[in-house]
Amino acid sequence: GDSVTQMEGPVTLSEEACLTINCTYTATGYPSLFWYVQYPGEGLQLLLKATKADDKGSNKGFEATYRKETTSFHLEKGSVQVSDSAVYFCALTPGGGTSYGKLTFGQGTILTVHP
Amino acid sequence: NAGVTQTPKFQVLKTGQSMTLQCAQDMNHEYMSWYRQDPGMGLRLIHYSVGAGITDQGEVPNGYNVSRSTTEDFPLRLLSAAPSQTSVYFCATKGANYGYTFGSGTRLTVV
Repeated sequence: GDSVTQMEGPVTLSEEACLTINCTYTATGYPSLFWYVQYPGEGLQLLLKATKADDKGSNKGFEATYRKETTSFHLEKGSVQVSDSAVYFCALTPGGGTSYGKLTFGQGTILTVHP
Repeated sequence: NAGVTQTPKFQVLKTGQSMTLQCAQDMNHEYMSWYRQDPGMGLRLIHYSVGAGITDQGEVPNGYNVSRSTTEDFPLRLLSAAPSQTSVYFCATKGANYGYTFGSGTRLTVV
């Protein structure tokens, strides 16, 4: 079945440092890929998405590129802020289009940013 | 526009007790689902529904029941709670594009 693997956490950074959270996936066909963010005490929010190979999703200074050749969707940010402290989840849905694809999540990566 | 509303936010149960976690949405989304979140395991799908009267099992359905009598509501029932069901539960809906909307969660402790 489909699976998503994220880098081991937690990750602790100083403000303005660069961030990379690795994500690789296993899926048949052409899945859609997502990054979700969960702030303390809240539900999950969609951060960015990509629906086909070489697409780049971006939002709030975060970016991720859909790399089919390496089955990866790494999350990057050039300069993190304290307010970015949260749990980040990589996820996929099978296939493309607007099907009712079920979300499969990675295990989550806790990011803590210190002033 | 409330989105997805989950109740209660917190609950403590004794082993063997039953309860229902409520999920209501006002976005007219056909797809609704329940996930549980456990440390180091991400979110795992319990049950889902693609419309009123239609439900199906996800990855970890044992110990949970669901029904979908209306588009708006998708309750999750624990018939006989066990400590292994201690978790944070999220309801999520999906609209016509890729937009999943999550509720704020229910933190359940079974003692």
